[in-house]
Amino acid sequence: TQLLEQSPQFLSIQEGENLTVYCNSSSVFSSLQWYRQEPGEGPVLLVTVVTGGEVKKLKRLTFQFGDARKDSSLHITAAQPGDTGLYLCAPSEGGSYIPTFGRGTSLIVHP
Amino acid sequence: DAGITQSPRHKVTETGTPVTLRCHQTENHRYMYWYRQDPGHGLRLIHYSYGVKDTDKGEVSDGYSVSRSKTEDFLLTLESATSSQTSVYFCAIKGTDQETQYFGPGTRLLVL
Repeated sequence: TQLLEQSPQFLSIQEGENLTVYCNSSSVFSSLQWYRQEPGEGPVLLVTVVTGGEVKKLKRLTFQFGDARKDSSLHITAAQPGDTGLYLCAPSEGGSYIPTFGRGTSLIVHP
Repeated sequence: DAGITQSPRHKVTETGTPVTLRCHQTENHRYMYWYRQDPGHGLRLIHYSYGVKDTDKGEVSDGYSVSRSKTEDFLLTLESATSSQTSVYFCAIKGTDQETQYFGPGTRLLVL
């Protein structure tokens, strides 16, 4: 069983600050997805990273997949209250239809 | 939103009563999943289905059963609800890219 850890577990910051959250594992993955879950709703896909070392940007969000495809990070620049939510990583192992989710990082951005 | 609905959206029940939650999808996806989400535990897979009448257990299947008699519907049943089953339940489908999951809006269940 793979060990999947997300850190930090909680993060409370002021609007305008930058932050990075991490998703780490002992296993190698074929791809990894990041989801954001807003209060009272289901998770929504933000991005999928596939190639080791890959960097993807989504407005103020920058996602990176580790070179060894065992870890990933999400960096938010100039956080806004609308970024508040639970950020979940979900790695995929090729051919597996049994998804695994990290416990998530709960982010609160104060105005 | 991948056409996923869940019903009911909220339910309060008593210990020992049976409860059935319904997940309905409109886009003919093969794979469907039931998760529960609790503080400190994240999303945990209860059961999943890979086709009509084809289901399998997930990480936390004890106390739960599922049925899928039609492609569009995936039912989760708590045969005899317990307080430990108080949770938010999410249904999900796997998209055509075989990786992305699309989630329903969730069902909040309180077992008294």
